[in-house]
Amino acid sequence: QVQLQQWGAGLLKPSETLSLTCAVYGGSLSNYNWSWVRQPPGKGLEWIGEINDSGSTNYNPSLKSRVTISVDTSKKQFSLRLSSVTAADTAVYFCARGDTSGYYEIPYFSYWGRGTPVTVSS
Amino acid sequence: DIQMTQSPSSLSASVGDRVTITCRASQSITSYLNWYQQKPGEAPKLLIYAASTLQSGVPSRFSASGSGTDFTLTISSLQPEDFATYYCQESYGSLRTFGQGTRVEI
Repeated sequence: QVQLQQWGAGLLKPSETLSLTCAVYGGSLSNYNWSWVRQPPGKGLEWIGEINDSGSTNYNPSLKSRVTISVDTSKKQFSLRLSSVTAADTAVYFCARGDTSGYYEIPYFSYWGRGTPVTVSS
Repeated sequence: DIQMTQSPSSLSASVGDRVTITCRASQSITSYLNWYQQKPGEAPKLLIYAASTLQSGVPSRFSASGSGTDFTLTISSLQPEDFATYYCQESYGSLRTFGQGTRVEI
């Protein structure tokens, strides 16, 4: 059974850098995309970006200038860094595995981490 | 950017009710549509992918249909554990946009 275990600092000051890591257990890192998704308090879900095992990334343009997603295949981990955080970055951050379906390789998020609440406050 | 609009935003229902949630995309996304269930304090859980394929382990009372711009999620007989928020998500565009959610309440 695939499990994603995530961790990182939960309280940041404005202008600091958010750093989270997600470890993959019970499955391979290969042949999947690995994403970060966030959810501000009481609001909906926003995709942040993804990486594959080769290190190729795609980012949400609204966050692209501040986001870096990296992967460590030897540890089966991938990480998120978000620089220059503000109160608007306060959210629960989830890591997720991206699978695809069928001939057209329709992507979807099959497994999720439990989420890490991050608060940005001075 | 593709916008995803769910309706209703919330609904009240009773155990045993048939519940239908709709999701509309701002442009055609063919079958690039997924549904998730989220309970308070938990991560989203995949229910349906590729518009109508039931994820392994998900009860058969959940079903979904649609293509192009209009999609529906149906719960045939609502169970106590189904009270949650449901999100649609497009995977056609580059942003993997989610709908705003539909809260199913008792």
